[in-house]
Amino acid sequence: AQSVTQPDIHITVSEGASLELRCNYSYGATPYLFWYVQSPGQGLQLLLKYFSGDTLVQGIKGFEAEFKRSQSSFNLRKPSVHWSDAAEYFCAVGTYNNNDMRFGAGTRLTVKP
Amino acid sequence: DVKVTQSSRYLVKRTGEKVFLECVQDMDHENMFWYRQDPGLGLRLIYFSYDVKMKEKGDIPEGYSVSREKKERFSLILESASTNQTSMYLCASGWRAQPQHFGDGTRLSIL
Repeated sequence: AQSVTQPDIHITVSEGASLELRCNYSYGATPYLFWYVQSPGQGLQLLLKYFSGDTLVQGIKGFEAEFKRSQSSFNLRKPSVHWSDAAEYFCAVGTYNNNDMRFGAGTRLTVKP
Repeated sequence: DVKVTQSSRYLVKRTGEKVFLECVQDMDHENMFWYRQDPGLGLRLIYFSYDVKMKEKGDIPEGYSVSREKKERFSLILESASTNQTSMYLCASGWRAQPQHFGDGTRLSIL
């Protein structure tokens, strides 16, 4: 069965600094990969997804993620963090038409002024 | 704008009560999901529905049931609430088997 690991429970960055959130997955077939963001008191919002093709995926809010098959990773990046990016971020892996999606435990991002 | 609406943001119930959590989506999605979110565990799928009256168990269906009588509405039922069901519950919908849009969640406390 597939699984997702987000190694960092909590990350703090300064506003304007670059950000990278790590995600590693374990999956036997071609994975479909997702990043979601959850602001306090709200549901999850889809930031970006990777199904196939170009391994560098652009998402909303200036985020991007790179699929590296050799490293089983799908790390999320942003070149310059804004205070409004403070939230919890979830990586997830699934397949095209099966409801077997797995979420990581999440990484909480704090942004310092 | 797309919308998934959960009927309650906060709910407090007593042990043994039958609890209904309601979810409505306005995007005509075939697939709807109920997740439970607990700190350090991420999201865990309770039930999934791919069509009206169709459902599949997720990872943690015990103690829960669901109902989907209309395409836009997916209800989660706690048959006899217990304290270990205190949690955040998230409804989602999508046009594929992955959840695309989430509601704001219902924080349920069972006393």
